[in-house]
Amino acid sequence: GAVVSQHPSRVICKSGTSVKIECRSLDFQATTMFWYRQFPKQSLMLMATSNEGSKATYEQGVEKDKFLINHASLTLSTLTVTSAHPEDSSFYICSARVRLAGAKIAKNIQYFGAGTRLSVL
Amino acid sequence: GIQVEQSPPDLILQEGANSTLRCNFSDSVNNLQWFHQNPWGQLINLFYIPSGTKQNGRLSATTVATERYSLLYISSSQTTDSGVYFCAAISNFGNEKLTFGTGTRLTIIP
Repeated sequence: GAVVSQHPSRVICKSGTSVKIECRSLDFQATTMFWYRQFPKQSLMLMATSNEGSKATYEQGVEKDKFLINHASLTLSTLTVTSAHPEDSSFYICSARVRLAGAKIAKNIQYFGAGTRLSVL
Repeated sequence: GIQVEQSPPDLILQEGANSTLRCNFSDSVNNLQWFHQNPWGQLINLFYIPSGTKQNGRLSATTVATERYSLLYISSSQTTDSGVYFCAAISNFGNEKLTFGTGTRLTIIP
């Protein structure tokens, strides 16, 4: 299946620093990438949707100045947590959507990266 | 938006047992996926199944789109099956965003 690579897998940083997380689709082109956040023992919550070459669309309640998303190419999206604070500590997961060629109706399968565990001290 | 609910929330089984996990959704869907989240957090794609039945080894899934539910079957459970199972769906009337269910935490005891 399609592979989504996410780096780093774990980040520990001091309060006030910025952290960049990379998400790459390795063997396919992803016109749309997604960023999720997951708190312990909870489900995944969508933070934002990014389309190649355009600005990201953020979900309600997600600060776009805090979570900067760049989707510069069809294979790379980045999430930067700016001026991180302890409350930003969480598990961040990226996802890329595959469009199956040839289908009459576009069937969008999403594949997920391994996640980044952010701990802000 | 679409509501996705899973049951049971927790399931503890002996190794070798069979299990059925359920996913109910509130709208008609054009995407329904099942995932296994392992203890390290990785989401592993199990099935893309907006309708019909699929099987992959000891796992199978059935989605009855007209009744708005999907079932994941795990047979002859192994300890490596432990983890959280999520279903996620995209509504036909929504915004093309995958909405996750609340998950089922499965623990397989040796």
